[in-house]
Amino acid sequence: EAQVTQNPRYLITVTGKKLTVTCSQNMNHEYMSWYRQDPGLGLRQIYYSMNVEVTDKGDVPEGYKVSRKEKRNFPLILESPSPNQTSLYFCASSSGTGFSGEAFFGQGTRLTVV
Amino acid sequence: EDKVVQSPLSLVVHEGDTVTLNCSYEVTNFRSLLWYKQEKKAPTFLFMLTSSGIEKKSGRLSSILDKKELSSILNITATQTGDSAIYLCAVGHNAGNNRKLIWGLGTSLAVNP
Repeated sequence: EAQVTQNPRYLITVTGKKLTVTCSQNMNHEYMSWYRQDPGLGLRQIYYSMNVEVTDKGDVPEGYKVSRKEKRNFPLILESPSPNQTSLYFCASSSGTGFSGEAFFGQGTRLTVV
Repeated sequence: EDKVVQSPLSLVVHEGDTVTLNCSYEVTNFRSLLWYKQEKKAPTFLFMLTSSGIEKKSGRLSSILDKKELSSILNITATQTGDSAIYLCAVGHNAGNNRKLIWGLGTSLAVNP
């Protein structure tokens, strides 16, 4: 089954404690991205990757890091989480650049930073 | 500033009604407009539109793009309670060397039995 898998689904952590949210896709997609979704602000892109070892900033990259060492995986790293990073996070992948066709989303990670 | 605006923000209808959701945009170097449905968690793809005037249809849902008016509509006929969701519109464009999607805030649709 074609899918994007994110883990964990829910996470509560304390300020400053490094965390990683994993994302894996099984569709051999080149394009992957991370979004955060906040009430009243909609979906905002954090980082995206057009292929292995190619990553670039989205609209709200501050406080986040990513890596793309393999095509299937695109982890999101928060080196020192802060309360303003409390949000719902989505990983997405697509065969094109994200706007040339369907994007598949993971089930989301609800992060709370206290 | 590039932006995508959806209207209405929220809508409550009865089963069987027909609804029209709107998406207007102001972006440079438009490439495509996409509609997604978000129930509870992950958005799921509905349509991608690139050409004006060509209707895309899937069951009771249909959508059309008007590049002259910089807008798109999503129609749902004979609504069912299962259509209750947030409907998201996104516009793809080239921004310098970047290729990005700009998302609207969504229209929250509630279909009452």
